[in-house]
Amino acid sequence: DVKVTQSSRYLVKRTGEKVFLECVQDMDHENMFWYRQDPGLGLRLIYFSYDVKMKEKGDIPEGYSVSREKKERFSLILESASTNQTSMYLCASRGGLGTDTQYFGPGTRLTVL
Amino acid sequence: GDSVTQMEGPVTLSEEAFLTINCTYTATGYPSLFWYVQYPGEGLQLLLKATKADDKGSNKGFEATYRKETTSFHLEKGSVQVSDSAVYFCALTPGDSWGKLQFGAGTQVVVTP
Repeated sequence: DVKVTQSSRYLVKRTGEKVFLECVQDMDHENMFWYRQDPGLGLRLIYFSYDVKMKEKGDIPEGYSVSREKKERFSLILESASTNQTSMYLCASRGGLGTDTQYFGPGTRLTVL
Repeated sequence: GDSVTQMEGPVTLSEEAFLTINCTYTATGYPSLFWYVQYPGEGLQLLLKATKADDKGSNKGFEATYRKETTSFHLEKGSVQVSDSAVYFCALTPGDSWGKLQFGAGTQVVVTP
């Protein structure tokens, strides 16, 4: 069965802290994605990666960075957390060319105080 | 740019009622269209999809038809159950993209016994 896991379901951090959100997929997928989900806005793409060490900015990359050192793992980094980054963060993965279905993790609800 | 517009919720229905959630899109080229569902406390999962005009996607009693002439992909179910209570997201993947998904804002559906 397809599986995307995220390191934490709930996280509380303070303003200015560096925050790491981890995502792991076991499907050998080339493509991985980070979204944030906010009420009334749906999901918005932060960053995506189409291969190890490769990354592309999504629609709202400001204040975030990513790391993909291994194929199965995609990390989202908040260099200096701010209260407006309080949100639900969802990771997804997708296979290579010819596939279009994204598989999502359960999400991490991050609160920045 | 590409965008997806779906009806606002919450939509509250009684069990066995008919459900329709409207979704319209704007896109260049020939996008693929999706409905994702998010059950309480979970990540998103693919409900159904259609990849070309006049295709009908179906799953778990839900259906949606890709209408290019009206740029729509409305979701329907003939008889809802309490277990269908969830948030439903309409989304598209532009035909020439990295497989990025553009989501609508989501529609919460509440089914009461």
